[in-house]
Amino acid sequence: KQEVTQIPAALSVPEGENLVLNCSFTDSAIYNLQWFRQDPGKGLTSLLLIQSSQREQTSGRLNASLDKSSGRSTLYIAASQPGDSATYLCAVRHQAGTALIFGKGTTLSVSS
Amino acid sequence: EAGVAQSPRYKIIEKRQSVAFWCNPISGHATLYWYQQILGQGPKLLIQFQNNGVVDDSQLPKDRFSAERLKGVDSTLKIQPAKLEDSAVYLCASSLQQGEVYGYTFGSGTRLTVV
Repeated sequence: KQEVTQIPAALSVPEGENLVLNCSFTDSAIYNLQWFRQDPGKGLTSLLLIQSSQREQTSGRLNASLDKSSGRSTLYIAASQPGDSATYLCAVRHQAGTALIFGKGTTLSVSS
Repeated sequence: EAGVAQSPRYKIIEKRQSVAFWCNPISGHATLYWYQQILGQGPKLLIQFQNNGVVDDSQLPKDRFSAERLKGVDSTLKIQPAKLEDSAVYLCASSLQQGEVYGYTFGSGTRLTVV
């Protein structure tokens, strides 16, 4: 059974700092991996999606990497801002058409 | 394009009562998902539809939960009777097709409190 773990559970940093969020999964036979952002009381916003054949994806200040063989992904946030404060969720998909399996998330707080 | 619409946004009910949630996916999205997110946890799949057929309902507590997607568009999730442990956010998501490459779009969710 696939399990997705995110470390740390919570993180507080001052504005401007670069940071890394970690995600690990137990079954490396995945189809793709997706990073989401969730603001309090809101739904999930997709940040980056990495197919199993890809090593990384970038969007603005965000960079997500995937090492499928070791069952790990990282989300790198450059020059953090208070607006980045949210919960970040990692999710994997085993096959096309199957549902996402989520980790519990990392709650990020960026202070000004 | 319009996003995934869900209603109501909030609902408070007493245990043993019934409740229903509604979801309108993005136009043209064939696949629809209902997830349950308990406070402090990641979302957990309840049921997945492809058009109006059920693809996966293995984690749906069928003794109290039911869902339907009439005409392959809107969907309704019902709980009857509700228990305290059903307090959670219920998220609806949709994607273009089962072989979706570009990921899901989630609605804002319905926050259910059972007292």
